[in-house]
Amino acid sequence: EVQLLESGGGLVQPGGSLRLSCAASGFTFSSYAMTWVRQAPGKGLEWVSTISGSGGSIYKADSAKGRFTISRDNSKNTLYLQMSSLKADDTAVYYCAKDLTDYVDSAPDYWGQGTLVTVSS
Amino acid sequence: QSVLTQPPSASGTPGQRVTISCSGSSSNIGSNYAYWYQQLPGTAPKLLIYRNNQRPSGVPDRFSGSKSGTSASLAISGLRSEDEADYYCTAWDDSLSGWVFGGGTKLTVL
Repeated sequence: EVQLLESGGGLVQPGGSLRLSCAASGFTFSSYAMTWVRQAPGKGLEWVSTISGSGGSIYKADSAKGRFTISRDNSKNTLYLQMSSLKADDTAVYYCAKDLTDYVDSAPDYWGQGTLVTVSS
Repeated sequence: QSVLTQPPSASGTPGQRVTISCSGSSSNIGSNYAYWYQQLPGTAPKLLIYRNNQRPSGVPDRFSGSKSGTSASLAISGLRSEDEADYYCTAWDDSLSGWVFGGGTKLTVL
């Protein structure tokens, strides 16, 4: 059974940093691309970033460029999202998701339960 | 403003068939697969349809997807109360090199 467990969310001040983690199990982690998607309170889904199975290909939304870094440790079956220069607009539930395949145009099929990031002073 | 356009709301009575549309462009739905997700209140999204019209195992055949040109559609037949949820479409956008989502459609079962 595929399981994705996010952690690292919480309250952070504007301009601060936070690192989200996603522990994966139930599948061969290195064989699949992984994605972060966020959802602001009461709003729709917004793609943040995707990383290939090897970590060699990375794609980011414009909102994440220059501030967010996606990475993965295949030896630990863990996905990360390092976030810096956080703004109030970054307040959202952040979902970790496994993609259908390792191809870039293959959307997520399994999602974690999400971790809430609140940016506020 | 979402790149993919969905109606903000839809409704139907139990047993009815409802359709939710998703309009895009040549750089996303027009050249790539469309996917659909269901999000029940307070839960994570669940994949309903992949590669335009494929259902993951466990998804009832009451749910079906189609694509024509730069638009995609999700149809739900035999509507049930438990179908009340938010539905999102998504596709890879070649121009943006990223995933784009519709704004979501809130389905109400009357």
